[in-house]
Amino acid sequence: ETGVTQTPRHLVMGMTNKKSLKCEQHLGHNAMYWYKQSAKKPLELMFVYSLEERVENNSVPSRFSPECPNSSHLFLHLHTLQPEDSALYLCASSQVQGMPQHFGDGTRLSIL
Amino acid sequence: SQKIEQNSEALNIQEGKTATLTCNYTNYSPAYLQWYRQDPGRGPVFLLLIRENEKEKRKERLKVTFDTTLKQSLFHITASQPADSATYLCALRSGGYQKVTFGTGTKLQVIP
Repeated sequence: ETGVTQTPRHLVMGMTNKKSLKCEQHLGHNAMYWYKQSAKKPLELMFVYSLEERVENNSVPSRFSPECPNSSHLFLHLHTLQPEDSALYLCASSQVQGMPQHFGDGTRLSIL
Repeated sequence: SQKIEQNSEALNIQEGKTATLTCNYTNYSPAYLQWYRQDPGRGPVFLLLIRENEKEKRKERLKVTFDTTLKQSLFHITASQPADSATYLCALRSGGYQKVTFGTGTKLQVIP
């Protein structure tokens, strides 16, 4: 139990589908993050929320849409994805932005 | 441009020996540096944090050094065990800027 739970663990979708990834943290943290992890590449920071407010968006395509309804939950809405979007999507939280992060075990996303 | 390099993609070491992993950076002035462990199919797990004014940090069999002149951190695992086999990631946070940037990781294999 890492304190950060991601669902689903695996997702296969077609390019025209709409799906959402969910992340929940039980640690009372104030910052939450979405990362993309592809083979042989460093973790790519996608979005950061601090106190439920988006504070960073690293030039992520609009087909990825984050939502943070409260400090414990984070969603990543997916729409019209491309094959190159296939990757492991990791959610993390930290007490405050910049401090050590607790990660979930990710959603393995495959785009057909 | 800013760059983080971890010494090698993979490192094999005999059980009982000390494993040493390297993290080099350029064009950063990190306030602190973090090390994480990632097992296959799992999210990274935070191990140690070392601040720019600290030379060395220890935790059980783990030791981290931080040399801001050489722009390098070394991560040591003494008396290595097969259970230490994993990918190890370094991450830097620059002072005054709360974004944490990750390296690509080094895959450590401890051979019995």
